[in-house]
Amino acid sequence: EVQLLESGGALVQPGGSLRLSCAASGFTFSSHAMSWVRQAPGKGLEWVSTISSSGGGTYYDDSVRGRFTISRDDSKNTLYLQMNSLRDEDTAVYYCARTRSASWWFDPWGQGTLVTVSS
Amino acid sequence: QSVLTQPPSISGAPGQRVTISCTGSSSNIGAGYDVQWYQQLPGTAPKLLICANTIRPSGVPDRFSGSKSGTSASLAINGLQAEDEADYYCQSFDSSLRGVFGGGTKVTVL
Repeated sequence: EVQLLESGGALVQPGGSLRLSCAASGFTFSSHAMSWVRQAPGKGLEWVSTISSSGGGTYYDDSVRGRFTISRDDSKNTLYLQMNSLRDEDTAVYYCARTRSASWWFDPWGQGTLVTVSS
Repeated sequence: QSVLTQPPSISGAPGQRVTISCTGSSSNIGAGYDVQWYQQLPGTAPKLLICANTIRPSGVPDRFSGSKSGTSASLAINGLQAEDEADYYCQSFDSSLRGVFGGGTKVTVL
């Protein structure tokens, strides 16, 4: 069974940093692009970042470019999101998702991890 | 403001057919990129419902169907059931190298 398990969410002050992890199992992790998608409380889904299967291609939404860094460790079957200079508006549940095809469909999704940015 | 436009809410009686529209532009749906649909039940993670415009992954009931034309796409639910009450999101890829979502549509079963 394909599974994704996020961790690392926490309460952090504005300007702080946090690293999210996503442990993958049940599929060949190194063969797939992976993504982070977030959902602010009561709001819709927002794509954050995608990394190619090789790790050589990384893509970011304008709202996080320069502050967030996506990476992967294929030896550990784990995806990461390093989040720096956090802002109130980064408060959200962060989901990781396996990413497929040229149109980037997301399947499956993890259960999500909550990041709260507040003083 | 979402890149893809969906109606905020729709409702229907059990057994009714409802459709959700998703309008994009020439840089995403109109550029030929596929449209996906996700269902998010209350308090849960999103689930892929339709991929590549019309394909239902294994396990998705056949009352769900997708279509695409030009810069728009639609999700139809035939024979609405109580368990279909959820939020639905369309998604595609944009030529500016980013994933794009609709704002979501809340489906209420009357």
